[in-house]
Amino acid sequence: DTGVSQDPRHKITKRGQNVTFRCDPISEHNRLYWYRQTLGQGPEFLTYFQNEAQLEKSRLLSDRFSAERPKGSFSTLEIQRTEQGDSAMYLCASSYHRDGNQPQHFGDGTRLSIL
Amino acid sequence: QKEVEQDPGPLSVPEGAIVSLNCTYSNSAFQYFMWYRQYSRKGPELLMYTYSSGNKEDGRFTAQVDKSSKYISLFIRDSQPSDSATYLCAMSPRGSNYQLIWGAGTKLIIKP
Repeated sequence: DTGVSQDPRHKITKRGQNVTFRCDPISEHNRLYWYRQTLGQGPEFLTYFQNEAQLEKSRLLSDRFSAERPKGSFSTLEIQRTEQGDSAMYLCASSYHRDGNQPQHFGDGTRLSIL
Repeated sequence: QKEVEQDPGPLSVPEGAIVSLNCTYSNSAFQYFMWYRQYSRKGPELLMYTYSSGNKEDGRFTAQVDKSSKYISLFIRDSQPSDSATYLCAMSPRGSNYQLIWGAGTKLIIKP
């Protein structure tokens, strides 16, 4: 399977704990995006990378959230001191950017449940 | 008012019917338009990707963009129960595809 891969698929944790998610993009894609989606809503942009550089972060993104893409391949998203409101589906997408816009392809997400 | 408006549905139609899904938007700078299909507990799957105005066809799916009316549509012919899903529209201006602007999605139910 050469699609976007996310791990774990589901994470259940207690409020206040830290969690980390992993995303493996499509291998030739140089851009990687993180989104959050809640029930009945479209995905909400969090941040994106071009190769290893984090180029944009949403102003809505709390400083409890941090993302890395150290070698320009896989990425991790960490949430520190989780809160009830962090419960959501966290989606990763990737695209190949060179000239012009190219569509983003999504993984199946990590569903986070905060107890 | 949201930048992209999409009727949440649910939209229920009998198998074999032609389905029409729509989004309206307010930002005239949008030039790239996408339709994604999302099954329950899965990520969005890209169905159609179009640039500027006009029609694009792929199998049973046709995407239509009317920039003058700021209105996009997705038509599904010969609808099947397996088409039952949430359909999301997304769009971006030229040169800035990193941040897609999304509709909330329309839930579609195809009755056998």
